Amino acid sequence: QVQVVQSGSELKKPGASVKVSCKASGYTFTHYGINWVRQAPGQGLEWMAWINTNTGNPTYAQGFTGRFVFSLDTTVSTTYLQISSLKAEDTAVYYCARMSSYYHHGMDVWGQGTSITVSS
Amino acid sequence: DIQVTQFPSSVSASVGDRVTITCRASQGVSSWLAWYQQKPGKAPKLLIYAASSLQSGVPSRFSGSGSGTDFILTISSLQPEDFATYHCQQADSFPLTFGGGTRVEIK
Repeated sequence: QVQVVQSGSELKKPGASVKVSCKASGYTFTHYGINWVRQAPGQGLEWMAWINTNTGNPTYAQGFTGRFVFSLDTTVSTTYLQISSLKAEDTAVYYCARMSSYYHHGMDVWGQGTSITVSS
Repeated sequence: DIQVTQFPSSVSASVGDRVTITCRASQGVSSWLAWYQQKPGKAPKLLIYAASSLQSGVPSRFSGSGSGTDFILTISSLQPEDFATYHCQQADSFPLTFGGGTRVEIK
């Protein structure tokens, strides 16, 4: 079935880096873009970026450049989110979500979320 | 950037009640608004896209309306499994933006 499956929870120290994966299956990977969405503890959803899976080019939200790097490997139908120089405020659940075939139609398939905790 | 305001932030309701949630965009987004349901510890689930189109598999008690800047999600008869947080998202232009969420609680 159509799904995106994310890598597991991470506990990291401030200043470290982390790489989260999001593996798609059940559909043609390059036909749909992938979004990354952050949810801090007790907070709402915050869109981070959309990855064009044809070109690999990301479209970022302000505030998610620099330390945040989005990439993909089409050979394994996987997108990645790497965060460097981690800070306590990066503690959140990070979701990947498939963009609908028409991007105006929202995000129709979501990963289970990856919890990242940054603590010394 | 388009700001999206959602209200109320929480609502207490009973099983069988009609519940409405409002989402307002800071500028017109045509019909490009989506609604999601999120249960504790789970990923959001797409309920409605293009303001009023029901995603496949979503019960018909959910409906959406509106265009331009003002949108409404209606649950016609609240069921026990509907107690959750609901989020709206403008899908008109990048950066995509979400409302702050509305928690539907048991009265």
